[in-house]
Amino acid sequence: EVQLVESGGGLVQPGGSLRLSCAASGFTFSSYEMNWVRQAPGKGLEWVSYISSSGSTIYYADSVKGRFTISRDNAKNSLYLQMNSLRAEDTAVYYCARDKITMIPSGAFDIWGQGTMVTVSS
Amino acid sequence: EIVLTQSPGTLSLSPGERATLSCRASQSVSSSYLAWYQQKPGQAPRLLIYGASSRATGIPDRFSGSGSGTDFTLTISRLEPEDFAVYYCQQYGSSPRRITFGPGTKVDIK
Repeated sequence: EVQLVESGGGLVQPGGSLRLSCAASGFTFSSYEMNWVRQAPGKGLEWVSYISSSGSTIYYADSVKGRFTISRDNAKNSLYLQMNSLRAEDTAVYYCARDKITMIPSGAFDIWGQGTMVTVSS
Repeated sequence: EIVLTQSPGTLSLSPGERATLSCRASQSVSSSYLAWYQQKPGQAPRLLIYGASSRATGIPDRFSGSGSGTDFTLTISRLEPEDFAVYYCQQYGSSPRRITFGPGTKVDIK
């Protein structure tokens, strides 16, 4: 079964750090581009970051640039998000999501994890 | 940055009825780069449509997407009980990569 499972969420104080992990199974992880997407409580979806299949190309949303770092370990079938200098507005469910492979790049996410909750509060 | 607007905010319909959801972009979007997702409470989003009109794997044919330029539509031909959910449109921009989502349309039971 194709699956993504996030972990690492929790309660952290403002200014603190947290590292999220996403374990992939059921597909050739190293062939896929990956993303992090977040959703604040009761709000819509916000794309956070992207990493290419090899890890050589990375992009961030302006809201997290300079504070978050995306990375991957293809040997371990894992995706990561290192979050530093956390703010209250970073409180959200964080999803890892797989780029759908299409003939023309579509930016569509065909597989999502179940999400992990990050709460930034004192 | 391209901003997506979805309307209506909430759509109240009965099972068996047709649902028409709108997604409007602030600038022209390539049809290849427009997707739709369904999200139920407590669940992750599920990809329904990509490339504006292509159904994702396993998506019933009662879901269809259309549109071009700045105006896109998701149509659910006959609502099933499991279709009551929130629907998001999403656009993709490259160089640098930018993904934006619309605010969502909630389809609830009338």
